[in-house]
Amino acid sequence: DQQVKQNSPSLSVQEGRISILNCDYTNSMFDYFLWYKKYPAEGPTFLISISSIKDKNEDGRFTVFLNKSAKHLSLHIVPSQPGDSAVYFCAAMGRRSQGNLIFGKGTKLSVKP
Amino acid sequence: KAGVTQTPRYLIKTRGQQVTLSCSPISGHRSVSWYQQTPGQGLQFLFEYFSETQRNKGNFPGRFSGRQFSNSRSEMNVSTLELGDSALYLCASSLQGDEPYGYTFGSGTRLTVV
Repeated sequence: DQQVKQNSPSLSVQEGRISILNCDYTNSMFDYFLWYKKYPAEGPTFLISISSIKDKNEDGRFTVFLNKSAKHLSLHIVPSQPGDSAVYFCAAMGRRSQGNLIFGKGTKLSVKP
Repeated sequence: KAGVTQTPRYLIKTRGQQVTLSCSPISGHRSVSWYQQTPGQGLQFLFEYFSETQRNKGNFPGRFSGRQFSNSRSEMNVSTLELGDSALYLCASSLQGDEPYGYTFGSGTRLTVV
């Protein structure tokens, strides 16, 4: 049973526009949510995270929103750039995760020039 | 500083054989986690080692095992390989294993079982 779900396998966006990647979770005990970006033949790279006690975290062009009542989070990328084209993974962790990140299956973002 | 190093990058093995993969964490990081990535299941947690002890384990059969050395380097072993073990194996390191800014991943070892 998937605890973290990314229901859109792919997303295509025009350069300069906003990219919105979505993620749903089922376990209300998660303490942190993270986004990772992955290029082919490389490991995932940490992008941004948010604590479960917050509803927004911003870092440059990247903003993550958390809606606890809906058990939903989203990653906004503004403006989108061709170099953002990659697979984006949503992940969740508990307070004492001991190395265990629970990942969604990823969304492949394509940003077209 | 040097990142997480995984060796080898690619491996081809035959069903029934065993394989050992290596992971060198970032200097100072004591937690090393292992993940399996497949197209169907995504990224799944295998186990985590901290100070040479396995602290946490995912839902994988006993054919998957690991260890960590005193310098924090870690190895994982898969015995009696099956076709379904073909995957990208990733390791990740962090200071303590519970940092909310996430873990640093290596580039992975692509294992193909034929």
